[in-house]
Amino acid sequence: DAGITQSPRYKITETGRQVTLMCHQTWSHSYMFWYRQDLGHGLRLIYYSAAADITDKGEVPDGYVVSRSKTENFPLTLESATRSQTSVYFCASKGQASNEQFFGPGTRLTVL
Amino acid sequence: GENVEQHPSTLSVQEGDSAVIKCTYSDSASNYFPWYKQELGKRPQLIIDIRSNVGEKKDQRIAVTLNKTAKHFSLHITETQPEDSAVYFCAASEYGGATNKLIFGTGTLLAVQP
Repeated sequence: DAGITQSPRYKITETGRQVTLMCHQTWSHSYMFWYRQDLGHGLRLIYYSAAADITDKGEVPDGYVVSRSKTENFPLTLESATRSQTSVYFCASKGQASNEQFFGPGTRLTVL
Repeated sequence: GENVEQHPSTLSVQEGDSAVIKCTYSDSASNYFPWYKQELGKRPQLIIDIRSNVGEKKDQRIAVTLNKTAKHFSLHITETQPEDSAVYFCAASEYGGATNKLIFGTGTLLAVQP
């Protein structure tokens, strides 16, 4: 599990500000995912990536931007944060040979 | 797209009893069904999974059953222990599909009373 990390672990920001959440994995996994976790909604997929420079939308992509210039990094940017984006964000990665997704420790984001 | 429903949302059992959590899915193309356990304040972790070519899979005290016709699958935990207390999520995916993405249920909070 130490192979996938997220930073920061906690973040408080204000409405309208830009925020970037970082995700880094050391396994050279091809696939990476961003989820948000909210009470009553479980884990919802925001964006995912099959490889460097290949990204696609998930269930709830509005208000978020991703990039993947290197295999090991998958940052998630909230271009103009809103209160509805207050949530716990999990990054996950998966290798080619397995369907198991490995989750990072999460980032708790509060938008005031 | 795929939709996964999970029931119950909360479940309380006595230590030693069995617990069952049920999920239904909508997309007949889904053929991979994992279950994740999330302890309080921790990250989700895979505990068991099943593919659609198998009807049941067991791993010690946990088992998963799949009914493809009815599009539902269930998690069974026997001889529950306090350390089984957590939130459990089911998910569905098209194994080997281009997207490799999971659609999760809304979770079940399991409380095992000592």
